[in-house]
Amino acid sequence: QKEVEQNSGPLSVPEGAIASLNCTYSDRGSQSFFWYRQYSGKSPELIMFIYSNGDKEDGRFTAQLNKASQYVSLLIRDSQPSDSATYLCAVQGDDKIIFGKGTRLHILP
Amino acid sequence: EPEVTQTPSHQVTQMGQEVILRCVPISNHLYFYWYRQILGQKVEFLVSFYNNEISEKSEIFDDQFSVERPDGSNFTLKIRSTKLEDSAMYFCASSSKRSSTDTQYFGPGTRLTVL
Repeated sequence: QKEVEQNSGPLSVPEGAIASLNCTYSDRGSQSFFWYRQYSGKSPELIMFIYSNGDKEDGRFTAQLNKASQYVSLLIRDSQPSDSATYLCAVQGDDKIIFGKGTRLHILP
Repeated sequence: EPEVTQTPSHQVTQMGQEVILRCVPISNHLYFYWYRQILGQKVEFLVSFYNNEISEKSEIFDDQFSVERPDGSNFTLKIRSTKLEDSAMYFCASSSKRSSTDTQYFGPGTRLTVL
């Protein structure tokens, strides 16, 4: 059974600072990894996906993957109040996505 | 931009009643999914569907649940006899191909409340 672990938070970060979110996964054979953002009462919204070891940047977001350590992270630069949400780390299964419980991020104005 | 739509946004039902949740996936997508999220818990996979049949289902997806693609656009989740513990947000998702490099796009969800 594939598992995805995240610290539930809340993680409080001052506006303008870098928010760092982390995740570990159990299946060493996993190939694809996703970060979703979920506002309260809303559906998950895809922010980034990453397949290869290393960093992938998209605007203010950087995803980092370390397959040897089974570790995925998301950095959010210049954090804005609108970034306050729950961030879901997810791993692609055969025919499904396996989600972690999510980390609540609170950006302090 | 194409998007997944779901109806209704909120469904209230009595325990033991049947409910049907409806989804319209993105038009050129071929793979369809249902997930649920109980309040305060993680998003959980229920079922995947391709070529008019279930390709994978979770332990949650027992005999009380069924899925159907009744026409070329809708994808439905039926719960035959609802229980209190079925109260959750139900999300439909779709993707264009079954691949480790493809992403699933989620609809806005249906909040199911079982009384």
